[in-house]
Amino acid sequence: GAVVSQHPSRVICKSGTSVKIECRSLDFQATTMFWYRQFPKQSLMLMATSNEGSKATYEQGVEKDKFLINHASLTLSTLTVTSAHPEDSSFYICSARQGTLDTQYFGPGTRLTVL
Amino acid sequence: DQQVKQNSPSLSVQEGRISILNCDYTNSMFDYFLWYKKYPAEGPTFLISISSIKDKNEDGRFTVFLNKSAKHLSLHIVPSQPGDSAVYFCAASANNAGNMLTFGGGTRLMVKP
Repeated sequence: GAVVSQHPSRVICKSGTSVKIECRSLDFQATTMFWYRQFPKQSLMLMATSNEGSKATYEQGVEKDKFLINHASLTLSTLTVTSAHPEDSSFYICSARQGTLDTQYFGPGTRLTVL
Repeated sequence: DQQVKQNSPSLSVQEGRISILNCDYTNSMFDYFLWYKKYPAEGPTFLISISSIKDKNEDGRFTVFLNKSAKHLSLHIVPSQPGDSAVYFCAASANNAGNMLTFGGGTRLMVKP
């Protein structure tokens, strides 16, 4: 299957700081990338959808000013958690797909811990 | 309202036996279904999918069955192996909704040696 990478895999930061997470599709061009959040023992919750070159579409209840998403190229999307708080601590996973009818492939996830 | 449900949070199976994971959905517009496998602290890995025009898709030890009238799908793993122990998520999408994935809550499968 296609390969999607995320960096960093784990990050610990102080409350009030901002953290950037990168998602890259390594062997295909991803017209659409998705960002999910997973709380312990729960399912994946879609946060936002980003299409290359356009603004991200956020799911209801997700603060777009807090979770900044940029999809500047067909192989890279970034999620920046601004002014992080302990309640933002979670496992963040991105996924990518080439076309609308294509399978989504997931990155390995990023564990964010906000102290 | 959960549109995709996996009613069994966990399942324990003996190695070599069949594992059957179930998934129910409510949205009749869903036309594509997928199963993902997830290990702790890792992203989901795509396993197998099925289009609504089919009722069965097989890939090696994995078979997915779709019953559209019952809005039910299942994943069969046979024979089960200890390495299959993971959380399995079913997901559904609708072509008229941009094929966004809606996930079930997951079922933790434990295959005992």
